[in-house]
Amino acid sequence: GENVEQHPSTLSVQEGDSAVIKCTYSDSASNYFPWYKQELGKGPQLIIDIRSNVGEKKDQRIAVTLNKTAKHFSLHITETQPEDSAVYFCAASKTGNQFYFGTGTSLTVIP
Amino acid sequence: DVKVTQSSRYLVKRTGEKVFLECVQDMDHENMFWYRQDPGLGLRLIYFSYDVKMKEKGDIPEGYSVSREKKERFSLILESASTNQTSMYLCASDLRGQPQHFGDGTRLSIL
Repeated sequence: GENVEQHPSTLSVQEGDSAVIKCTYSDSASNYFPWYKQELGKGPQLIIDIRSNVGEKKDQRIAVTLNKTAKHFSLHITETQPEDSAVYFCAASKTGNQFYFGTGTSLTVIP
Repeated sequence: DVKVTQSSRYLVKRTGEKVFLECVQDMDHENMFWYRQDPGLGLRLIYFSYDVKMKEKGDIPEGYSVSREKKERFSLILESASTNQTSMYLCASDLRGQPQHFGDGTRLSIL
């Protein structure tokens, strides 16, 4: 099956700085890569996703990049704010199949 | 907006009890999933279902069973609860090829 690795497990940044979280996957047939944000006491919420026919996608301060050859994808958050503090999960799947999740990154934005 | 509702936010049970966790989604999603979330281990898939009365084992099905009698409802059953099943349980649903939507989780403690 698929194996998704996520780094780092914890990340602290100053408010206004950028944060980058990286994931690698093992199954070259995986073609869909969502990112989730989980705030304390809540379930994971989708924040951005990318499919394998696209190399980069942006939504305001959040961007995701995908390198299919190297089998890795990254989440970039610019101009971080305290409300960005949460646990972030990456995931990989093949269309119609189950999702495989990374182990999570706890991001702390220091005011 | 998709709503995935888990019946209990917190639950305390005793070793050996039969425990039911309920999940309901309101968007006519075909697929439903149960995960457990533990620190450092991310989200691990217990069981999933692609249709009514259909179920498939995930990565850690031992000690659990599921029931899907109606499309909108997916139940997780701990046949005889043990202390190592103390965890956060997350339910999710999706349409084939689309992102998963999560409930807010049930924090289950087995004493």
